[in-house]
Amino acid sequence: DAGVTQSPTHLIKTRGQQVTLRCSPISGHKSVSWYQQVLGQGPQFIFQYYEKEERGRGNFPDRFSARQFPNYSSELNVNALLLGDSALYLCASYSFGSAYNEQFFGPGTRLTVL
Amino acid sequence: KQEVTQIPAALSVPEGENLVLNCSFTDSAIYNLQWFRQDPGKGLTSLLLIQSSQREQTSGRLNASLDKSSGRSTLYIAASQPGDSATYLCAVIDNFNKFYFGSGTKLNVKP
Repeated sequence: DAGVTQSPTHLIKTRGQQVTLRCSPISGHKSVSWYQQVLGQGPQFIFQYYEKEERGRGNFPDRFSARQFPNYSSELNVNALLLGDSALYLCASYSFGSAYNEQFFGPGTRLTVL
Repeated sequence: KQEVTQIPAALSVPEGENLVLNCSFTDSAIYNLQWFRQDPGKGLTSLLLIQSSQREQTSGRLNASLDKSSGRSTLYIAASQPGDSATYLCAVIDNFNKFYFGSGTKLNVKP
């Protein structure tokens, strides 16, 4: 079975631009979460979606938004990019009621803002 | 607010040594605790997951313990190898399946 997939792998943008990152969960998983990992730090929670509804939001500005589609894939959008948005963006999926409710992470999208 | 701290921030050991990485958390109301490995520029590789009702988990040369009451977990690596060099991240998971990560311990195992 395919794991969590994310696209693109790498992305370079300039300040003020907008970016869309994509995530496809493991088949059968209905929940997707997004995390931002700045260099040298641990990942920070951005959003959680379950059954297409937002279930949690971290301490990020309104420039960050996300949505989940009927097929449970998800997009993370960041508007008006700042240099500080340069980071590895990780997506995780899980299935309620699975063993340990374990979440599985994708390989991430590395965003560089110049 | 849950805060996760990892000590030390960096560690350099000669090959073959046994070592312990430490993780502490401020809120004991956790669902699971998970240890990850991260190679430079890469994503997260799950190493061990401990449920809140468990005390430890083992996989090969790795052993993770959990003491919820004191807010501590340790990752023990036996007979370290150069291939173990990476950053090790500890994460606690709350009842809403939200992860709280530490900043990691960067391990260098010298041949």
